[in-house]
Amino acid sequence: QKEVEQDPGPLSVPEGAIVSLNCTYSNSAFQYFMWYRQYSRKGPELLMYTYSSGNKEDGRFTAQVDKSSKYISLFIRDSQPSDSATYLCAMTTDSWGKFQFGAGTQVVVTP
Amino acid sequence: DVKVTQSSRYLVKRTGEKVFLECVQDMDHENMFWYRQDPGLGLRLIYFSYDVKMKEKGDIPEGYSVSREKKERFSLILESASTNQTSMYLCASSPGTSGRARGDEQFFGPGTRLTVL
Repeated sequence: QKEVEQDPGPLSVPEGAIVSLNCTYSNSAFQYFMWYRQYSRKGPELLMYTYSSGNKEDGRFTAQVDKSSKYISLFIRDSQPSDSATYLCAMTTDSWGKFQFGAGTQVVVTP
Repeated sequence: DVKVTQSSRYLVKRTGEKVFLECVQDMDHENMFWYRQDPGLGLRLIYFSYDVKMKEKGDIPEGYSVSREKKERFSLILESASTNQTSMYLCASSPGTSGRARGDEQFFGPGTRLTVL
């Protein structure tokens, strides 16, 4: 069983819709949770970063962490075609920054 | 801005060849990482380095080695390439000591798509 599970999609939504992404994990020692966005033929870039449980909002993006359920989410409001990308969750304990990544979810926002 | 560069975007090699993938970062980061990315499997850590000449095995080190002679450069070596090493290879770096308490943001290069025939 993988430490981090993420549905690979693809997830197709119309422009303006809310995109909902999630990951589940098994290691209760994870403390830091991240979402990376990866455009085609590019390396991943950090989108959201959350420590421990709770919510974090940045513009159209909201990240949620529920450590009791070992579940993290990313919401994208008012989605745009430019949001079409693969979204990867990542998490780590507080040592050495060694991350565990999800498989990534491909999102397609259609005009 | 942090910049992580990789020596090649696309590479085609033959089975049994020795392959070198080079990665350079320009922000004086302590930590550097090599991942491979495969469909449905996400990013898997091959090796990482937290200091010059220091290295640690990741989750899938078999068939790979690494070299870090200078702080800014981290090389991945495939001693004898095999077809199952066909993949996208991503290099990343992170600040290290100064950011360890918060788990460190990793900055990625554009990737090298390696095909082994």
